Amino acid sequence: DAGVTQSPTHLIKTRGQQVTLRCSPKSGHDTVSWYQQALGQGPQFIFQYYEEEERQRGNFPDRFSGHQFPNYSSELNVNALLLGDSALYLCASSLRYSSYEQYFGPGTRLTVT
Amino acid sequence: KQEVTQIPAALSVPEGENLVLNCSFTDSAIYNLQWFRQDPGKGLTSLLLIQSSQREQTSGRLNASLDKSSGRSTLYIAASQPGDSATYLCAVRPIKAAGNKLTFGGGTRVLVKP
Repeated sequence: DAGVTQSPTHLIKTRGQQVTLRCSPKSGHDTVSWYQQALGQGPQFIFQYYEEEERQRGNFPDRFSGHQFPNYSSELNVNALLLGDSALYLCASSLRYSSYEQYFGPGTRLTVT
Repeated sequence: KQEVTQIPAALSVPEGENLVLNCSFTDSAIYNLQWFRQDPGKGLTSLLLIQSSQREQTSGRLNASLDKSSGRSTLYIAASQPGDSATYLCAVRPIKAAGNKLTFGGGTRVLVKP
C-alpha cells in the first residue's frame, strides 16, 4: 500500500514565477492538507481539501491556491513567488471524519532565487 | 487561537540516556495529539497518537503522556540510541474542527552522541 506521495522532490524557481506541487494521498483517504515548513520551524497549515472543495484555510495570501481531483489527489499552486516562499511543502492525508492519525508525504523542497 | 510550544528547542544526550521531550498547548479543547519524527530535509513520520480521552500511549521504547487539563504532553524515549537523532514535533488537532487541521510546535532537535 503506497503511502502519501509528492512530486517533484526539489524545485528551483525565480521570483515572480508560478509553481505547482502535487500530492497523492494514502489509499482510502479522502482529505488532503497542505503545510509550509520554513527552515528550523514547525509546519504551518496552508489549507485543506475535501470533496474537491477548500474546507479550511490558514493565514496565507491568495497567491496560494489549490485543487483536489475526483481521485482525491491534490495540487498546490503558488503565484508571484517571493524569496520567503522558499520552504519544504508537506502534504498530509487523512479520513475526514476519522480520529485516526494523519500521514505525511516526503515533501517538496522549493527554493526561490 | 491554539499555540503549541516545545521546550527545549535542542537537546544533546549521551547514548543510553532516557530522553524527555515536552509539548505544551494553550487551548485544552483538543481532539487528539500526535508526535512526529523528522529527519533532516525529510517528511514527517508519525510516532504516537493520543486521543483526548487517553492518558498515555506506548510503542516500543516510546511512551507519550497527555494531561489535557494542564495543556501538556511528554514524549519519553527510553535508552536512547544514535539513530534516535532527529527533530521531534508535536501537533494538536482541535475538537469539532471543520477538518483535520493540525497546529504544530516548533520542534525539539535531538542529538544522541555515541
